This record gives sequence, structure tokens and C-alpha cells, in this order.
Amino acid sequence: KAGVTQTPRYLIKTRGQQVTLSCSPISGHRSVSWYQQTPGQGLQFLFEYFSETQRNKGNFPGRFSGRQFSNSRSEMNVSTLELGDSALYLCASSLGGSLTDTQYFGPGTRLTVL
Amino acid sequence: QKEVEQNSGPLSVPEGAIASLNCTYSDRGSQSFFWYRQYSGKSPELIMFIYSNGDKEDGRFTAQLNKASQYVSLLIRDSQPSDSATYLCAAEMNRDDKIIFGKGTRLHILP
Repeated sequence: KAGVTQTPRYLIKTRGQQVTLSCSPISGHRSVSWYQQTPGQGLQFLFEYFSETQRNKGNFPGRFSGRQFSNSRSEMNVSTLELGDSALYLCASSLGGSLTDTQYFGPGTRLTVL
Repeated sequence: QKEVEQNSGPLSVPEGAIASLNCTYSDRGSQSFFWYRQYSGKSPELIMFIYSNGDKEDGRFTAQLNKASQYVSLLIRDSQPSDSATYLCAAEMNRDDKIIFGKGTRLHILP
């Protein structure tokens, strides 16, 4: 069974631009969660989507948004990029029936904002 | 108080010894706890989860949960150089229904 895939793997943007990241979950998984990982703050929860609906959201500004499609693929968008948005963005998929279902992480997208 | 706290390390342990990793959490209502391992440059992978007070063993790994004291620990027996990684503790936050990660503890197994 194929794992979680994320595209692109690396991205360089400048301040003020916007970016869209994509995540394809494991087949049969209906939940996709997004995390931001930085050396200073660690792994921080952004939001979770289940069956095309945002089920939960972390404490990030409205510049961070996401959506999920009917095939469970998910996209995350960051508008008006700031230098502090430079991070590794990870998505994780799970079956989704329970918050405690095992999450499987993708390889991440490394975003650099110049 | 941080929601999930871990000592950042690095924690250095000789090969073959027991590595002990600790984590405390703030939400007394949390029910489920997870340990993830993250190798440098890689994404986290789940090692173990624990729901009940006491110990849970899986091979060389033992997770321990003490809800009264609000701490979770992970013991790695017969430590191997391949265990060198960052270990992330995560807790299900009962009050707002999401999983919060600690910043991780870097473990270094000395050959």
C-alpha cells in the first residue's frame, strides 16, 4: 500500500507571495491533518480534515487555510507569506474514525520564505 | 505551562543500556498518549500508544503512564545506535479534541 505523499518536497518563495501544498493520504484514509515543524516550536497542529470538512483547527492565523477533496486529497494554502512561515510542513493521514487512530506522516514539504 | 513538555536533550546513553525518556502533560482529562520517533531529515513514525495507567511493552520498548502525576515515559531496553533519533511525545487534548506534540527529546546512543 502506498504511503502518504506530499508535493512539492521543496519550495522557495518570497515574502508576500502565497503557496499551496498538496497531500495525498493512504488509500482508504479519510482524515488528513497538517502540522508545521520548526526547530524552535516543534511540531504544531494546523488543522484536520475529515470527509471534506474541517474537524479541528490549531492556533494559527487565518492566512493558513486548507481544504479536502472528495478523494480525501488535501491542500493547504498560506497567503501573504512571512519569513516566520519557513518550516517543514507535514501532513498525516489516518482512517479517521477516532482521534486516536494511528497517524501516518508524509515526507513533508520544506518551505523557505526569503 | 506548555501542554506537553519534554526535556530537549540530547540524552546520551551507552549502547546496550536502558534509555529513559519522559514527558509531562497539562490536560488532566487527556486519555491517550503517543510516542513517535523521528530520524534526522525524516518524518515522525509511531512507536507506541498507551491509554491505561501502568506499563505497555512492545519488544524493546515500554511505555509507562501515570495519570495521577500526569507523566508518560518511554523506556528503550538494550539501546542500539539505530535508536539515535528525536522522540516526540504526543497527548490527546480532551478539552479541545486534538493531538498536541511535545518538542521532542534528542537521544544519542553511544557505540
